[in-house]
Amino acid sequence: ETGVTQSPTHLIKTRGQQVTLRCSSQSGHNTVSWYQQALGQGPQFIFQYYREEENGRGNFPPRFSGLQFPNYSSELNVNALELDDSALYLCASSLGGSQNIQYFGAGTRLSVL
Amino acid sequence: GNSVTQMEGPVTLSEEAFLTINCTYTATGYPSLFWYVQYPGEGLQLLLKATKADDKGSNKGFEATYRKETTSFHLEKGSVQVSDSAVYFCALRGSQGNLIFGKGTKLSVKP
Repeated sequence: ETGVTQSPTHLIKTRGQQVTLRCSSQSGHNTVSWYQQALGQGPQFIFQYYREEENGRGNFPPRFSGLQFPNYSSELNVNALELDDSALYLCASSLGGSQNIQYFGAGTRLSVL
Repeated sequence: GNSVTQMEGPVTLSEEAFLTINCTYTATGYPSLFWYVQYPGEGLQLLLKATKADDKGSNKGFEATYRKETTSFHLEKGSVQVSDSAVYFCALRGSQGNLIFGKGTKLSVKP
């Protein structure tokens, strides 16, 4: 048990809709990273937040956006959903910046129909 | 750019067999290397890590050695158990502090 919790567990949306996924980081952790894991693939880095600021981003379009709150919890927002956005979305938290161990939540399974 | 290549699975072994999962990487410099494990329906758990060349990470009977000469970080276990059945991911630390993962190797251990 890592202490990183994600909600919801599963979600079904239709193409063109918008979705918000949530993550509560482990107590004391101030860095949150989001990853997309397509079926049968390794996780791909979406972006990272450190003390409420985005400080790293992978190769994802602007319709993937995020927030980090003062309590270090985080949201991932995806606009104009596409079928290829169907995946497991993983949140990871770490302490004191990006070089420490990342602890993962169980993920949110998003299906876009 | 940085990348990780893992042997393709699935790998099926009998209980108490020896396990090797190959992992090689391409990177600028000498990034930290990791093995994560994902059990069915769960997120990723850190299995072991190594932060510099010749470091050996170990945990729960699993081992991996950071080999800069061969740019490899192969995962080994001397005697696997049914409970080791999972998907194993090799990863390296990217320039943004993010993790760059391989595609994963599914291991099935039969009693």
